Amino acid sequence: DVKVTQSSRYLVKRTGEKVFLECVQDMDHENMFWYRQDPGLGLRLIYFSYDVKMKEKGDIPEGYSVSREKKERFSLILESASTNQTSMYLCASSLTLNPGVTGELFFGEGSRLTVL
Amino acid sequence: AQSVAQPEDQVNVAEGNPLTVKCTYSVSGNPYLFWYVQYPNRGLQFLLKYITGDNLVKGSYGFEAEFNKSQTSFHLKKPSALVSDSALYFCAVRDGQGNFNKFYFGSGTKLNVKP
Repeated sequence: DVKVTQSSRYLVKRTGEKVFLECVQDMDHENMFWYRQDPGLGLRLIYFSYDVKMKEKGDIPEGYSVSREKKERFSLILESASTNQTSMYLCASSLTLNPGVTGELFFGEGSRLTVL
Repeated sequence: AQSVAQPEDQVNVAEGNPLTVKCTYSVSGNPYLFWYVQYPNRGLQFLLKYITGDNLVKGSYGFEAEFNKSQTSFHLKKPSALVSDSALYFCAVRDGQGNFNKFYFGSGTKLNVKP
């Protein structure tokens, strides 16, 4: 089975701190994604990556950056955390859409971040 | 523009009754459609998908979904609900052309199954 592992389930940080959220997948997926989930707003895409060192902005990239130095690892970075970044962060991975590949998303368990 | 709509924030059903969670979509090419379930404080779990073929697709935990091209809908169904089905359900569509690696999610529907 595909496994997507997010290193921290719960984090509490202070305003202005730099925050790293790590995600590792073990199925050699090309694509990796970071979403945030807030009540009433559903899932919103922050960034995604379709290859090592490649990244694309999603719908809400402001205040975030990402790093993909290895295929299996995709990191989300909050350079200076703010209280409005308190949220549930979900990492996901998928294969690239190709004939015979439907490429559904596989999600990690989530990282619940609280910024005080 | 690609989009997914889940018109109901919440669906309430009694255990043993059939359930339907609604989803409509808008895509420019052929749709790749998915349903996911989320239990409290957990990530999303894949339930089922429609890519091509039969309009009725079967998935995990006894769930099925019906693809209707003319109504651009992909409603999730189960013949007999269980209390343990209570969770948050998300419909998603994958862009079949253009930025084909991007997914679009609905806002989610909370399913409450009462004993």
